[in-house]
Amino acid sequence: EDQVTQSPEALRLQEGESSSLNCSYTVSGLRGLFWYRQDPGKGPEFLFTLYSAGEEKEKERLKATLTKKESFLHITAPKPEDSATYLCAVRKTGANNLFFGTGTRLTVIP
Amino acid sequence: DAGITQSPRYKITETGRQVTLMCHQTWSHSYMFWYRQDLGHGLRLIYYSAAADITDKGEVPDGYVVSRSKTENFPLTLESATRSQTSVYFCASSLAGGRVDTQYFGPGTRLTVL
Repeated sequence: EDQVTQSPEALRLQEGESSSLNCSYTVSGLRGLFWYRQDPGKGPEFLFTLYSAGEEKEKERLKATLTKKESFLHITAPKPEDSATYLCAVRKTGANNLFFGTGTRLTVIP
Repeated sequence: DAGITQSPRYKITETGRQVTLMCHQTWSHSYMFWYRQDLGHGLRLIYYSAAADITDKGEVPDGYVVSRSKTENFPLTLESATRSQTSVYFCASSLAGGRVDTQYFGPGTRLTVL
């Protein structure tokens, strides 16, 4: 059965305290893994797409990595404005939709 | 550049009523999607459309109807709303196929069924 599991469910960090969010997946044929950011009351905002194991992408304080079983979203020296829910999703080969995890709610305290 | 918009943003209705949620995109994307988001669940696909007049079921299609007569619009209708359909609904769109398949989401519609 296809599964996407994100951990932890919630994470509180002090400003400047680096950490990582995890997304483990079990799908039959990965076409792509996606990271989104979602602020309260808003739609998911696209961050990264990763297609193959070993791939890395960076944007400001965020860096996403991919292995054959999981992806990490590393947050370096976070700021309060990085507070949001981070969603991981996978797209299977032959499928058109995304299959989402339940997200990690990140709070960065000043 | 308006992108992808949804209306209404908030809707309260009663059990048994018909409700239509609207989605409009200005990018001429071929693919459009409807998801619902509930606590404890990830976003779940209701229906999607690969092009005008082409639609297909997703993971949770029961109780919903879609149509797509124009590329830019993808309305979602709840024919007889039930309390279990209380949720936040997101529309998304993407270019057709290949690696250019990032889905871009609208702001959502919060629907409450009393």
